[in-house]
Amino acid sequence: DTEVTQTPKHLVMGMTNKKSLKCEQHMGHRAMYWYKQKAKKPPELMFVYSYEKLSINESVPSRFSPECPNSSLLNLHLHALQPEDSALYLCASSQTGGSGELFFGEGSRLTVL
Amino acid sequence: AQSVTQLDSQVPVFEEAPVELRCNYSSSVSVYLFWYVQYPNQGLQLLLKYLSGSTLVKGINGFEAEFNKSQTSFHLRKPSVHISDTAEYFCAVRGTGNTPLVFGKGTRLSVIA
Repeated sequence: DTEVTQTPKHLVMGMTNKKSLKCEQHMGHRAMYWYKQKAKKPPELMFVYSYEKLSINESVPSRFSPECPNSSLLNLHLHALQPEDSALYLCASSQTGGSGELFFGEGSRLTVL
Repeated sequence: AQSVTQLDSQVPVFEEAPVELRCNYSSSVSVYLFWYVQYPNQGLQLLLKYLSGSTLVKGINGFEAEFNKSQTSFHLRKPSVHISDTAEYFCAVRGTGNTPLVFGKGTRLSVIA
């Protein structure tokens, strides 16, 4: 069983919709991540939060808006997406020191119509 | 900055045969090395990691990897594969300075009955 929980598992939305992806972890990790993964490609880093503060934004378009309400929760707000944004969105968490091994959730499969 | 090269995009192998998935990395600093596995429609699961110490690392599901600093390699091996090992395998590297994890492009392992 994964210790990083992502909801929903599947999401279909139109280009004018507003939706959110949610991620929760209870491992006491203080770093949380959003990755985007297209089919047959490696995950691409989008955002990193460290101690609830945004520390890395990999030049992600503003139609993706991350939020870290507390140390256990990470959201990704979606608005005015394009069909090319359809992908698997993966959340991960890690300790902030040491090896920084990432623990991944099962992902949210997003389809934009 | 770190980079990872997975030399084979696809590796077909017969059931119960041995397999080696190759990974080379580039870094100007000391690194931590990881292998992750991704089964269809799932997130990434850690197979094994090299942090320091013994260069032969054993992981889950009978996999092992050997860190070779002189050849900057971290190849993944299994002496006898099963159908259930069919998946995408990602090699990843992270600098010891808490830099983001960098993934290789992945190797698709297909086990043939």
